[in-house]
Amino acid sequence: QQQVKQSPQSLIVQKGGISIINCAYENTAFDYFPWYQQFPGKGPALLIAIRPDVSEKKEGRFTISFNKSAKQFSLHIMDSQPGDSATYFCAATGTYKYIFGTGTRLKVLA
Amino acid sequence: ETGVTQTPRHLVMGMTNKKSLKCEQHLGHNAMYWYKQSAKKPLELMFVYSLEERVENNSVPSRFSPECPNSSHLFLHLHTLQPEDSALYLCASSQDHGYGYTFGSGTRLTVV
Repeated sequence: QQQVKQSPQSLIVQKGGISIINCAYENTAFDYFPWYQQFPGKGPALLIAIRPDVSEKKEGRFTISFNKSAKQFSLHIMDSQPGDSATYFCAATGTYKYIFGTGTRLKVLA
Repeated sequence: ETGVTQTPRHLVMGMTNKKSLKCEQHLGHNAMYWYKQSAKKPLELMFVYSLEERVENNSVPSRFSPECPNSSHLFLHLHTLQPEDSALYLCASSQDHGYGYTFGSGTRLTVV
């Protein structure tokens, strides 16, 4: 019940394309769903987050779509750029629980 | 200096050594965390400190010993480690639990 399943493990997208990363959770007590971006040699950085009372949140080229009934959420990167090449982690959190997905390595080709 | 700062950035230690990792946050957050990041595994929560008190110890071996002397500083004391402990150790802070974390850049630890 504490897992967060993230897919795909790796993703290659052409410049200008849309990158989509999916996560699924099991524990309905989670109430905050962040996405982190990690570049080599750096720690993860908070990118965007959503609460379950909304179905979508957009910040610039990054959008989270949230499906509460399916217990799934996804990150969409519009107009993907080579600078977006990084590892992306989803997470699901609740009181004293913060569960991360296994990460998706994104490569955007120039 | 702002954010979360970790030192050293790299550490190589023998199995009989004793070393410490240091983390400092300049964000005024009230919670700090140690995470272990290994290849192809989810981030593993090791310790949580809230208002300088440890609130969670995630079944971490006793060869890892945390210390939080104040709300801005967090240490991870290491002794008699095993090669499988080689990983990236990340410190993070947050204002209250369950929200966005600010991570440091990590300490890349190699146990030989």
